[in-house]
Order: sequence, then C-alpha cells, then structure tokens
Amino acid sequence: GEDVEQSLFLSVREGDSSVINCTYTDSSSTYLYWYKQEPGAGLQLLTYIFSNMDMKQDQRLTVLLNKKDKHLSLRIADTQTGDSAIYFCAESTANFGNEKLTFGTGTRLTIIP
Amino acid sequence: NAGVMQNPRHLVRRRGQEARLRCSPMKGHSHVYWYRQLPEEGLKFMVYLQKENIIDESGMPKERFSAEFPKEGPSILRIQQVVRGDSAAYFCASSRQGVRSTGELFFGEGSRLTVL
Repeated sequence: GEDVEQSLFLSVREGDSSVINCTYTDSSSTYLYWYKQEPGAGLQLLTYIFSNMDMKQDQRLTVLLNKKDKHLSLRIADTQTGDSAIYFCAESTANFGNEKLTFGTGTRLTIIP
Repeated sequence: NAGVMQNPRHLVRRRGQEARLRCSPMKGHSHVYWYRQLPEEGLKFMVYLQKENIIDESGMPKERFSAEFPKEGPSILRIQQVVRGDSAAYFCASSRQGVRSTGELFFGEGSRLTVL
C-alpha cells in the first residue's frame, strides 16, 4: 500500500530557509501536496504539484519533486515566526475510483528567534 | 467565499452515546471527504461521498460509523455507541470536481471529539 514518511521535527532560525523533506512509496502518485496545520486548526493547502513537474514556486515556497527517488521537499525562504506549524506531505493516486490522499505523520517546524 | 464549514468544533460524549458531526462543503463543491486524525498522527482517509452517494468507504470502521451526504443539507458523519478510542479530530474536505480531476482538496477546521 501507499506510505508517506517525514521526519517529525525541524528547528530553524528566523530568517533562514526551512527545508522539509518527504518520501513516498507509490510510484503511480499523481499529485503531491503540502498542507500546514497550526495548533487546534484545520489543514491549510499550501501548494501541490502534479507528478510530471519537477519544481513549483509560489512566493516564499518552493516545491521540488524527484520522481525517480520518490522524494518531495518544501523550502520556505526567509522563515518567520508565523511559519511555526506542522507541515504534512500527502500524495494521491489516479487509479480509477481512488480519490483519497495518503498523509505523512507531519513535520513540526519550530522557529528559533 | 466561505470555506468548508464543520460543526460542532468540539464535542464531548460519554461512552455509549452517539456523535454527529456535520460538514458543509465549499460553495460549488459536490465532492466531500472525511478524514480522522488521532493525537500526534497524520490524517487517515475514512470516506468519500458525492450527493446522495457513498463512493468509497474503504477507510470507515465496519461497525458504528456511517456517513451520508443528502441532496439537501450538510454531510453527516455519525458514530454510534462511542468508545474512548473514537476520541480524535475529524476533518471534512471538499473538492469541486474530485481529487483525480483537479488535485485540489480543501479542509475544514475539524471537529474534535472527546469521549469520556
């Protein structure tokens, strides 16, 4: 079955770049996602990338996809205190009738002043 | 443009009672999904519905759990005879044309169920 793995914790100094990594096992993944969850809140869709793309950039966010290694990363430039949250990687597969996302366990990003 | 609306945000039930969680999808969205998040874990898919139809319930426990998305009104996730292990955050998500078509999936704020 599908599996998505992330490291649990990341600490970064304010102003530095954060890089959150994710690996997945399903070679037929179609879309790969990054969601942000602040304490007690829902999941905010940050960005997603179609599997035929290598990179997607949106303001401070850069997503890199290495499909050969099944590795996805999220880079946050100029990290701010408001970026403190749990970041979830997720993937979906375009099999017929399959509409579900498989999530990683999340990476808790802590910003050091 | 309101997002996915869930209520109640917090629900406390005693063992054996019933829990009903409601979800109104974003305007124009006809695809609804329910996910469960246990403490310190990622989200796990439960069920996918379109209006009046359950499309995929492969993640739903076989007993005590049911979901519906009627022609009119919100989607409902119902948990009968709750047990302590049902304590979790239940998230609803919606999509305009389905995840396979557009990739987009938007989540609500979640309903946090505590079973005493």
